[in-house]
Amino acid sequence: AQTVTQSQPEMSVQEAETVTLSCTYDTSESDYYLFWYKQPPSRQMILVIRQEAYKQQNATENRFSVNFQKAAKSFSLKISDSQLGDAAMYFCAYRSTGGTSYGKLTFGQGTILTVHP
Amino acid sequence: DAGVTQSPTHLIKTRGQHVTLRCSPISGHKSVSWYQQVLGQGPQFIFQYYEKEERGRGNFPDRFSARQFPNYSSELNVNALLLGDSALYLCASSLGGKVGNTIYFGEGSWLTVV
Repeated sequence: AQTVTQSQPEMSVQEAETVTLSCTYDTSESDYYLFWYKQPPSRQMILVIRQEAYKQQNATENRFSVNFQKAAKSFSLKISDSQLGDAAMYFCAYRSTGGTSYGKLTFGQGTILTVHP
Repeated sequence: DAGVTQSPTHLIKTRGQHVTLRCSPISGHKSVSWYQQVLGQGPQFIFQYYEKEERGRGNFPDRFSARQFPNYSSELNVNALLLGDSALYLCASSLGGKVGNTIYFGEGSWLTVV
């Protein structure tokens, strides 16, 4: 079974600064997907960025980028030019490509991000 | 287009009662998944349905059951409610059929068991 670990329960950043959230995972699979989801106080899970394991290039979405280290099983999220609206709980998630359960995401414990003005 | 819609948004039940939570996927999506999120933790996978068939089940007791209807909407049923079932229940949908399809989440149903 796959596991996802987020070792930072809380992080804070000043507005306009850069912050990095950490995530490690454990799997025996060679092909999989990794995601970062944002969950604001409204509780709706919003996809921030995704990475396909077979792609060596790190994914980027505007101010959000990842550092994907497949051998180290590490998947960190970098938020540049932090904005007040980035404040939320962030979850790292793993999705297997094997089997038929395409809908199963395995989530980490989450990191609460606070953005200070 | 409407996103994933869930109902009810909030409900309070008594221990031992039964609850039904409903989910309508995004139009055209054939796969629906259910997750339980206890306060302060990450969501835990409960079920996945695709084309009205169960495709995956998480580590939850048999008190939890689900089904998917011909219009691809879904129900999650929980019998003999326990205090520990209090949580946010999230429904997610995707096109299905391909593992790379993006999963979209609804806003959840808050269940409080007293």
